[in-house]
Amino acid sequence: GAVVSQHPSRVICKSGTSVKIECRSLDFQATTMFWYRQFPKQSLMLMATSNEGSKATYEQGVEKDKFLINHASLTLSTLTVTSAHPEDSSFYICSAHIGVYGYTFGSGTRLTVV
Amino acid sequence: DAKTTQPPSMDCAEGRAANLPCNHSTISGNEYVYWYRQIHSQGPQYIIHGLKNNETNEMASLIITEDRKSSTLILPHATLRDTAVYYCIGSRGNQFYFGTGTSLTVIP
Repeated sequence: GAVVSQHPSRVICKSGTSVKIECRSLDFQATTMFWYRQFPKQSLMLMATSNEGSKATYEQGVEKDKFLINHASLTLSTLTVTSAHPEDSSFYICSAHIGVYGYTFGSGTRLTVV
Repeated sequence: DAKTTQPPSMDCAEGRAANLPCNHSTISGNEYVYWYRQIHSQGPQYIIHGLKNNETNEMASLIITEDRKSSTLILPHATLRDTAVYYCIGSRGNQFYFGTGTSLTVIP
């Protein structure tokens, strides 16, 4: 089946630094990928829609300059958290649309900013 | 996408059927009902989806009411590994917006 590989699974970074999270579609091409954030004991919140070869579309309230999304190829989308702060600590998940079956999701990245 | 309402939590005895309800009274005619589950600290996993007819696969059954305003996910023989948060989503297949889901605990 369609698989999305997400790396790293866990990352700890110092406050003020940037962190890049990668999401790859392994056996299919994904023209569109989606990025979610999930705080403890809460549901997934859609952050942005990543479109191959064009600018990402951000949900209301998500800072586009802080969460940089690049979708340079049909199999790779990246999310960079810039100037990370402790409040950015969260579980980040990517997904890709796979037709009528909906979406396939990455395994998630646990970001801890210290 | 349709707004969905689910009970926040449910318990089910191991080996019994787990019936998880979902209300989606605002669902439009071309929106599918999707069910996903999320085991702690993992990405969501697809379970089943349907439009009008009831559906069954190796994981679960989906019962959709005739007016499509609600549905029930049935796990026929719940196991401890089915403990997870279950999300019901109404979507035309574009963005997925997750509701709060139902936290299912399967009890030995």
